[in-house]
Amino acid sequence: NAGVTQTPKFRILKIGQSMTLQCTQDMNHNYMYWYRQDPGMGLKLIYYSVGAGITDKGEVPNGYNVSRSTTEDFPLRLELAAPSQTSVYFCASNPLWSNEQYFGPGTRLTVT
Amino acid sequence: DAKTTQPTSMDCAEGRAANLPCNHSTISGNEYVYWYRQIHSQGPQYIIHGLKNNETNEMASLIITEDRKSSTLILPHATLRDTAVYYCIVRVEETSGSRLTFGEGTQLTVNP
Repeated sequence: NAGVTQTPKFRILKIGQSMTLQCTQDMNHNYMYWYRQDPGMGLKLIYYSVGAGITDKGEVPNGYNVSRSTTEDFPLRLELAAPSQTSVYFCASNPLWSNEQYFGPGTRLTVT
Repeated sequence: DAKTTQPTSMDCAEGRAANLPCNHSTISGNEYVYWYRQIHSQGPQYIIHGLKNNETNEMASLIITEDRKSSTLILPHATLRDTAVYYCIVRVEETSGSRLTFGEGTQLTVNP
């Protein structure tokens, strides 16, 4: 299994641009999550999904959107990038019966 | 979820045991203690979890006090590769969603 994969690894955006961060898992996990991590800080939950077609807001959802059309994919959309969204973004997943989350390698995003 | 308190940083000599404390004095009876770690620039990695009994796996041991108000993660023979931020998380294990709340963790530095 490849586990949780994220693309791209790095991206620089200009203010107001939009982009989609991709996340895919091949472990057939029901739950998927998006976190952001600012320098020197812990992870904050942006959105999560308990299965295909179901998404819900986390702690810091403003400025982001998600969709979950398949079990495998959970893309995160930034519509109007702002400097405050400069961060490292991690995607994670876990199976129905466990809180053991598997994390992707992260996407480092800079908005200037 | 119960709040956790961890020291900001700790040092340990290579080859010695690293004992990382966590205080969770408001933990409820159905809340589990989870430990994750994050090596620089990587996604967090699950280490171990427990409810009230001590647990051991190939990575570490988890000692939970009898009153469950605190716990200690033990890395028995720390190596340089164990240098990371260690997060103690308390969470109800449930099937309706398993969001983890990451604090700022403990930066463990293993010195040669």
